[in-house]
Amino acid sequence: DQQVKQNSPSLSVQEGRISILNCDYTNSMFDYFLWYKKYPAEGPTFLISISSIKDKNEDGRFTVFLNKSAKHLSLHIVPSQPGDSAVYFCAARGNAGNMLTFGGGTRLMVKP
Amino acid sequence: GAVVSQHPSRVICKSGTSVKIECRSLDFQATTMFWYRQFPKQSLMLMATSNEGSKATYEQGVEKDKFLINHASLTLSTLTVTSAHPEDSSFYICSASGGAGSTNEKLFFGSGTQLSVL
Repeated sequence: DQQVKQNSPSLSVQEGRISILNCDYTNSMFDYFLWYKKYPAEGPTFLISISSIKDKNEDGRFTVFLNKSAKHLSLHIVPSQPGDSAVYFCAARGNAGNMLTFGGGTRLMVKP
Repeated sequence: GAVVSQHPSRVICKSGTSVKIECRSLDFQATTMFWYRQFPKQSLMLMATSNEGSKATYEQGVEKDKFLINHASLTLSTLTVTSAHPEDSSFYICSASGGAGSTNEKLFFGSGTQLSVL
């Protein structure tokens, strides 16, 4: 039972355009959501997060939107840069500790 | 920001040998550390949660006798893959969290260990 899903395994975007990565979850007890960026053979690095009491959080080129009623969140990257090419993981945390449940990841390719 | 150091980054071993992976929190006290495993092109799967000074809590399907976790201090947790077999070949990643009341919600990750069992 996958509680966090990223239905698009890959996404290709032209440099300068917007990248939109999507994530759906099923567990209504999740109260905190995070996005991580990962390069091959490296650990994930934190990008941006959002609490369930908010519907938007922005940090530079990165914006995360949360739609609680739809149990859906998305990460917007604008403008996209070739250096953004990586695998992006959506993660969710319940209200009982810091254990994270990860989605399957989306490989983003930003073409020059 | 907080730093989590993981060693070794890559290890190749013969089938039947044991491999130890270390995870250290360098600038904060990690009361809880998590061990994840990632197969190629798949998600990070939580293997176990370790709390300093107590036994680790393993996720369903993870053999506790095969994947020994020790969290003896607030800055170090180790994962030992005992009697490794080729199917244990994977990318292992640790992450660390501060204690209750901390704002370490981001869960900082180590750089991972690529284990290849021949």
